[in-house]
Amino acid sequence: DGGITQSPKYLFRKEGQNVTLSCEQNLNHDAMYWYRQDPGQGLRLIYYSQIVNDFQKGDIAEGYSVSREKKESFPLTVTSAQKNPTAFYLCASSIGYGHYGYTFGSGTRLTVV
Amino acid sequence: EDKVVQSPLSLVVHEGDTVTLNCSYEVTNFRSLLWYKQEKKAPTFLFMLTSSGIEKKSGRLSSILDKKELFSILNITATQTGDSAVYLCAVLNAGGTSYGKLTFGQGTILTVHP
Repeated sequence: DGGITQSPKYLFRKEGQNVTLSCEQNLNHDAMYWYRQDPGQGLRLIYYSQIVNDFQKGDIAEGYSVSREKKESFPLTVTSAQKNPTAFYLCASSIGYGHYGYTFGSGTRLTVV
Repeated sequence: EDKVVQSPLSLVVHEGDTVTLNCSYEVTNFRSLLWYKQEKKAPTFLFMLTSSGIEKKSGRLSSILDKKELFSILNITATQTGDSAVYLCAVLNAGGTSYGKLTFGQGTILTVHP
């Protein structure tokens, strides 16, 4: 079955540590996206990539970094510079530039302890 | 900056009621408006709207877009407890440096009581 796999589902991080969230898709989609969701809020765009080896900042990129070395993979690193990283992180992908909508992964819930 | 505003932010109804969820938007280069349902984790796609005045329908759910007034509504008739979820509205930008960017609203939390 084609889809998007995010791992891990739950992640705990100590303050000051970097952590990497995985996102892999086997849909052969060109574009991939990372969103953050806080309780009672909608999704806010962190980074997106429309082709391999290229990516753009979204609305809340500070404290995050990404890479797109392979079409299938778009990992997100939450760095120690992100002041409030506890949130639900969703990865998505789309054919082309999202003209046909996005497909979402199941998310990773990150908690800073 | 693209902006999407949903209302109400939360809604509590009883089974059988009809609800209307609202979404207004400002986007530099509008391509389409999408509705998603989010129950626990991943949002699931409901509708994509591109043209004004054409209603999209799926069972008890329907949606329509007004590109002149920059808003959309999502109607759910004869609500069931399984409709309880967060409903997200998003707009797709089709121009300039924001090409392909999907901007979401805050979501409407719908709770349907038996």
